[in-house]
Amino acid sequence: GQQVMQIPQYQHVQEGEDFTTYCNSSTTLSNIQWYKQRPGGHPVFLIQLVKSGEVKKQKRLTFQFGEAKKNSSLHITATQTTDVGTYFCAAPFGNEKLTFGTGTRLTIIP
Amino acid sequence: NAGVTQTPKFRVLKTGQSMTLLCAQDMNHEYMYWYRQDPGMGLRLIHYSVGEGTTAKGEVPDGYNVSRLKKQNFLLGLESAAPSQTSVYFCASRRRGGIIDTQYFGPGTRLTVL
Repeated sequence: GQQVMQIPQYQHVQEGEDFTTYCNSSTTLSNIQWYKQRPGGHPVFLIQLVKSGEVKKQKRLTFQFGEAKKNSSLHITATQTTDVGTYFCAAPFGNEKLTFGTGTRLTIIP
Repeated sequence: NAGVTQTPKFRVLKTGQSMTLLCAQDMNHEYMYWYRQDPGMGLRLIHYSVGEGTTAKGEVPDGYNVSRLKKQNFLLGLESAAPSQTSVYFCASRRRGGIIDTQYFGPGTRLTVL
């Protein structure tokens, strides 16, 4: 079936360092979404990217959608302990459902 | 608005037992989904529904059944639980159409099958 590959699986960073997670698809995507799941919590929607080359920012978070609409990245500048969690990308294949990446688990070393 | 709620929050079953997980949403969403989450596997779609009275298989449907008798409720059933079904189960919903396809997730049910 359709897959969205996400790397890395884990990332440990010192507080204040930057963090990036990447998603790749072998097919062109109509859009890509990003979700955050805090430890013990449930996924929460962060953002949706639709346009080729789109860049969106939410405070210290920068989301990019590739020119070919086959890849995306989430970059966090100067991580804080509140950034801890697992970040998922997700893409629609068809109109009805999303396929989620395997997620990147971010831990912060104080 | 409570959003998406799930019951129960935790459950321990013995192999072969059956149970039903209930998902309810008060946002009048047409689409509802059941996922399971296992370490390193992300979220995998079990079954979904695009409207009252309709259901469809997802990526990992074997061993599960679902029903959507009312628009606001989506039930996930395990007829004969197996240890491989130990997981965290999430329900999600979203509305049909619109520019942004946000899925809203419930808090999850943590199921252990012994």
